[in-house]
Amino acid sequence: KAGVTQTPRYLIKTRGQQVTLSCSPISGHRSVSWYQQTPGQGLQFLFEYFSETQRNKGNFPGRFSGRQFSNSRSEMNVSTLELGDSALYLCASSKQGAIGELFFGEGSRLTVL
Amino acid sequence: AQSVTQLGSHVSVSEGALVLLRCNYSSSVPPYLFWYVQYPNQGLQLLLKYTSAATLVKGINGFEAEFKKSETSFHLTKPSAHMSDAAEYFCAVSERSGGSNYKLTFGKGTLLTVNP
Repeated sequence: KAGVTQTPRYLIKTRGQQVTLSCSPISGHRSVSWYQQTPGQGLQFLFEYFSETQRNKGNFPGRFSGRQFSNSRSEMNVSTLELGDSALYLCASSKQGAIGELFFGEGSRLTVL
Repeated sequence: AQSVTQLGSHVSVSEGALVLLRCNYSSSVPPYLFWYVQYPNQGLQLLLKYTSAATLVKGINGFEAEFKKSETSFHLTKPSAHMSDAAEYFCAVSERSGGSNYKLTFGKGTLLTVNP
């Protein structure tokens, strides 16, 4: 069965711009989580959506937002980009959320210039 | 909040040698524990998980981990390293974040290098 698909895989933006990243989960998975991965901070949890509702949120500023659609596809948006937002953004889907196995996409690598 | 400590950001072993990657967590309540692996330019993949059924957990690719409550540890081992094991390994702990919701916290990761 198809895995988790993230688009775009690579993108370059400049400071002050905004970006939208997309994640299509595995069919039947209602939970979608987003993580930011950087060499210095490692993997940091952004938020989790389950059946279109945000049920967990990490410690990121309000510039980071997300949503989930009725087909479980999810998007995350970062507004007013800063240099420090350069990172690999990983999406993970699951049936149960964080107590079960997470299936990760290959990530969207964002570079902010 | 949970914290996860992985001792050693980089571990180097020879092919055929024992692999030992260390993970300690902070919790007074037995949590859900996981090890994930990330190969270059890929997402993470589950190696194994502990959910209180057995203290010794066997995973994929010959890896296993032992849950030791008294030491709050969940170290990952493999008896004989293979070149294909070279990757970054992440320990993770799931903690209750409110109601029936859980949140996953990852360690900083350990990069495993396997030398021929």
